[in-house]
Amino acid sequence: GIQVEQSPPDLILQEGANSTLRCNFSDSVNNLQWFHQNPWGQLINLFYIPSGTKQNGRLSATTVATERYSLLYISSSQTTDSGVYFCAVGGSQGNLIFGKGTKLSVKP
Amino acid sequence: NAGVTQTPKFQVLKTGQSMTLQCAQDMNHNSMYWYRQDPGMGLRLIYYSASEGTTDKGEVPNGYNVSRLNKREFSLRLESAAPSQTSVYFCASAYASAYNEQFFGPGTRLTVL
Repeated sequence: GIQVEQSPPDLILQEGANSTLRCNFSDSVNNLQWFHQNPWGQLINLFYIPSGTKQNGRLSATTVATERYSLLYISSSQTTDSGVYFCAVGGSQGNLIFGKGTKLSVKP
Repeated sequence: NAGVTQTPKFQVLKTGQSMTLQCAQDMNHNSMYWYRQDPGMGLRLIYYSASEGTTDKGEVPNGYNVSRLNKREFSLRLESAAPSQTSVYFCASAYASAYNEQFFGPGTRLTVL
């Protein structure tokens, strides 16, 4: 099946810093989503981005489907950005296959 | 528009007890999914329902059963809970299956003693 690898596994930033999170996947996909899991466990949809580039405020994402990777950019990070960021790609059953996540801690 | 709702939010069971986790969506989605999340892991698919009246096994179906009650509701049942089923359970829905964005409920945190 499709493998999803995220890097780095852990990231510590000072408030105001920028960061790039990476997601590599092992096969072509028809769906790719980025999620933020906040400290209360809620999964928040950030981007649905099987290809191309999207921006939403301080966050943006780029997926290069032909090279099998996606990047999530966080600019001017805030403490409320802390949590775990998951990349997930579409599986053969219509489900999502998740990476293990990047745990982000933003310090004031 | 509540999106995807799940009940209960928390549950503690003893080994061997049974329970049903409830999930409902109000987005007129066709596909619904049950996932579990274990510490330090991403989510893994338990069962899914591509459309009303159909259900299929996912990656980790053992010890679970599901019912797609109608288009809105998809329940997950543990017949005889085991400590290995201690996890956080998420329900999700999508308009169709592979090509559409999935939306998740708030999760149910289950502990089996």
